[in-house]
Amino acid sequence: EDQVTQSPEALRLQEGESSSLNCSYTVSGLRGLFWYRQDPGKGPEFLFTLYSAGEEKEKERLKATLTKKESFLHITAPKPEDSATYLCAGIYFAGGTSYGKLTFGQGTILTVHP
Amino acid sequence: GAGVSQTPSNKVTEKGKYVELRCDPISGHTALYWYRQSLGQGPEFLIYFQGTGAADDSGLPNDRFFAVRPEGSVSTLKIQRTERGDSAVYLCASSLRSSVWDTQYFGPGTRLTVL
Repeated sequence: EDQVTQSPEALRLQEGESSSLNCSYTVSGLRGLFWYRQDPGKGPEFLFTLYSAGEEKEKERLKATLTKKESFLHITAPKPEDSATYLCAGIYFAGGTSYGKLTFGQGTILTVHP
Repeated sequence: GAGVSQTPSNKVTEKGKYVELRCDPISGHTALYWYRQSLGQGPEFLIYFQGTGAADDSGLPNDRFFAVRPEGSVSTLKIQRTERGDSAVYLCASSLRSSVWDTQYFGPGTRLTVL
């Protein structure tokens, strides 16, 4: 069974204190790795897609990286408005085809204190 | 432009009742997905449509759940004989096509509460 596991479950940072969130995934059959941000009471908001080991993508204070067995979301000098749940999801090759069925981790709840 | 919309935003119903949840995808998107998110968990896949047909319904928990997309645009998720365990946020997502390279855009969700 394809699995995506995120750690830590919750992370509390002071404003400006950089850190990283981890996403471990079942390696066999992975076709793409996605990061989403989810604010309370809202749907997930797309951040990044990574397709191959060594790939990196950046957006403002966020940088996503992918290795052969895990992905990291690095947050540099976070601000209180970065507080949210960050979700990692994989797309897997399935039975002769690949399509967009996402397998999500349980998320990391990030709280940034001023 | 308009994103994915879902109605209602909240639905409270009694155990045993029938409910319908609606999803309006982004115009022109051919792929549509339904997910269910329980408190403190990531979304779980329910069903995927490519056009009008359900290409993969392997995530539907049982035969009380059914979804349609008759004209290849709006989709309705139908739940019969609701149970308290069906309480969750039901999310809809759409993408331009159904390949791994197409970003899925999510709606705000419908929070279903079964009393």
